[in-house]
Amino acid sequence: TQLLEQSPQFLSIQEGENLTVYCNSSSVFSSLQWYRQEPGEGPVLLVTVVTGGEVKKLKRLTFQFGDARKDSSLHITAAQPGDTGLYLCAGPRQLTFGSGTQLTVLP
Amino acid sequence: DTGVSQNPRHKITKRGQNVTFRCDPISEHNRLYWYRQTLGQGPEFLTYFQNEAQLEKSRLLSDRFSAERPKGSFSTLEIQRTEQGDSAMYLCASSLGGDRLNTEAFFGQGTRLTVV
Repeated sequence: TQLLEQSPQFLSIQEGENLTVYCNSSSVFSSLQWYRQEPGEGPVLLVTVVTGGEVKKLKRLTFQFGDARKDSSLHITAAQPGDTGLYLCAGPRQLTFGSGTQLTVLP
Repeated sequence: DTGVSQNPRHKITKRGQNVTFRCDPISEHNRLYWYRQTLGQGPEFLTYFQNEAQLEKSRLLSDRFSAERPKGSFSTLEIQRTEQGDSAMYLCASSLGGDRLNTEAFFGQGTRLTVV
């Protein structure tokens, strides 16, 4: 079983700050996906990374896939209250999800 | 299409009772997934279907849990003899299948089960 560990588990920051959350595994993944989940809703896909070393940007969000394809990071610049949510990484075919990082951005 | 639909949204049941949840996926999606999620945790994979075939089932899934997708469209998840530990959010998701491994999964809003 391929496990995904996410850190930190909880993160509370002030609006305007920058942050990075991590997704790590001892296994190599052919791809990783990042989802965001808001209370009472299902997760929504943010991005898929497939190539080692790949960097993708989505407005203020920057996603990186590690060179060895065992880890990934999500960096948010100038966080806003609307970024609040549970950030999840997932392996291929959505069979494995990390435990998530609960982000709270305070106004 | 209105997306993935799950019913009911909430279910409260007494311990020992059976419950059944329904998921209607996006119509052209041939893959359908079931997950269980507890508060503050990521979704835990339970099982998935490609059309009507149940292709994979988590080893963590006890024999009290069964899922069907008889016509390759909607799916049901039944839990027999519910236990308090079954209390969780049950999420359904669907995606396009085939050879594509990185397709987007679209999630429903889930069914929150409380066993009292």
